[in-house]
Amino acid sequence: EPEVTQTPSHQVTQMGQEVILRCVPISNHLYFYWYRQILGQKVEFLVSFYNNEISEKSEIFDDQFSVERPDGSNFTLKIRSTKLEDSAMYFCASKSEGAQPQHFGDGTRLSIL
Amino acid sequence: QKEVEQNSGPLSVPEGAIASLNCTYSDRGSQSFFWYRQYSGKSPELIMFIYSNGDKEDGRFTAQLNKASQYVSLLIRDSQPSDSATYLCAVKGSSNTGKLIFGQGTTLQVKP
Repeated sequence: EPEVTQTPSHQVTQMGQEVILRCVPISNHLYFYWYRQILGQKVEFLVSFYNNEISEKSEIFDDQFSVERPDGSNFTLKIRSTKLEDSAMYFCASKSEGAQPQHFGDGTRLSIL
Repeated sequence: QKEVEQNSGPLSVPEGAIASLNCTYSDRGSQSFFWYRQYSGKSPELIMFIYSNGDKEDGRFTAQLNKASQYVSLLIRDSQPSDSATYLCAVKGSSNTGKLIFGQGTTLQVKP
């Protein structure tokens, strides 16, 4: 069964450094999302992406965050100048169309030191 | 602020019993409702989704939706120890981007 893949599974970075989290959505999907989950807290929406542009972003998704779909398969989340509070699990999700459910990748655990 | 509320639990049931998980939401324009299962340290895994009022059954799982009461539930029949996990209620609100708003999750413990 097709799945969303995310790399790396764990990223450790010094505060202030830039990180890029990578996702390969399911191939025929059109809508792409990033969520994050701080340890012990709920899953929070960050950004949605459709037709090569951001369709919605949350208050969390400030100027330090950006997303890109550089080719036909990858979907990346970049965090510039990371902060300690960026430590979380980051999940990529995709869906095909309309009311179809989102499928989640296994996540990247980001640890900021 | 659009919210999705769940009792964090833990909900403890004996093996073979029915587990009932509940969720309420605040956005009356919400269109689609999803239950995800999350094991500790893992990603959300889709269990069921429901769009219309009433019940939807899939194997041991039944989702129930009451839009008038803004309430959605998940019943797990013949609960197994492997069902022990956190169950996340997620709601697609009135936004047309498809973003999901998650509840905090209910931890289910099924005791052998």
